[in-house]
Amino acid sequence: QQQVKQSPQSLIVQKGGISIINCAYENTAFDYFPWYQQFPGKGPALLIAIRPDVSEKKEGRFTISFNKSAKQFSLHIMDSQPGDSATYFCAAKQGGKLIFGQGTELSVKP
Amino acid sequence: KAGVTQTPRYLIKTRGQQVTLSCSPISGHRSVSWYQQTPGQGLQFLFEYFSETQRNKGNFPGRFSGRQFSNSRSEMNVSTLELGDSALYLCASSWENEQFFGPGTRLTVL
Repeated sequence: QQQVKQSPQSLIVQKGGISIINCAYENTAFDYFPWYQQFPGKGPALLIAIRPDVSEKKEGRFTISFNKSAKQFSLHIMDSQPGDSATYFCAAKQGGKLIFGQGTELSVKP
Repeated sequence: KAGVTQTPRYLIKTRGQQVTLSCSPISGHRSVSWYQQTPGQGLQFLFEYFSETQRNKGNFPGRFSGRQFSNSRSEMNVSTLELGDSALYLCASSWENEQFFGPGTRLTVL
């Protein structure tokens, strides 16, 4: 049972453009929603996270939008750069465990 | 602070063998979680330890086990290895809601 659904599976964006990745969840017991960035051969790195009582959080070029009623949240990467090319995972936390989306492979073309 | 360290980084085993992986969390972090990452199943939660006690467990067979020591270092063990156990095994060190991942141990089962 996939509790966190992530889309798209892959994304190609031009340098300077906006990258948008979406996630939907089912379990209303989730209480924390982080996004991770993973480069090949590396472990996932925590990028930004949000609690369900907040509708938006911005850190630099990265913004999370959270819609509690729709049970959806998204990551926006503004002014995307080639160095942002990586795999991005959304996740939802319940207790001590994270449930991950399937990942989005982002490629930013120069 | 030093990040999460995992040893070994790479491991090759044959079917039927057992393996032990090690994780040292970030100094001061008392919670350690383990995840399995494969191309087909993505990132899946194995178990979480806090103060030497298993606090959460994912849906993996009993061949997968773990433990945590008094210094918060953790080990996971996989017995009777199967080909499908080939994966990147990730350890995450937690502080409140945030989980920080190590570089992982790449296990190949032949």
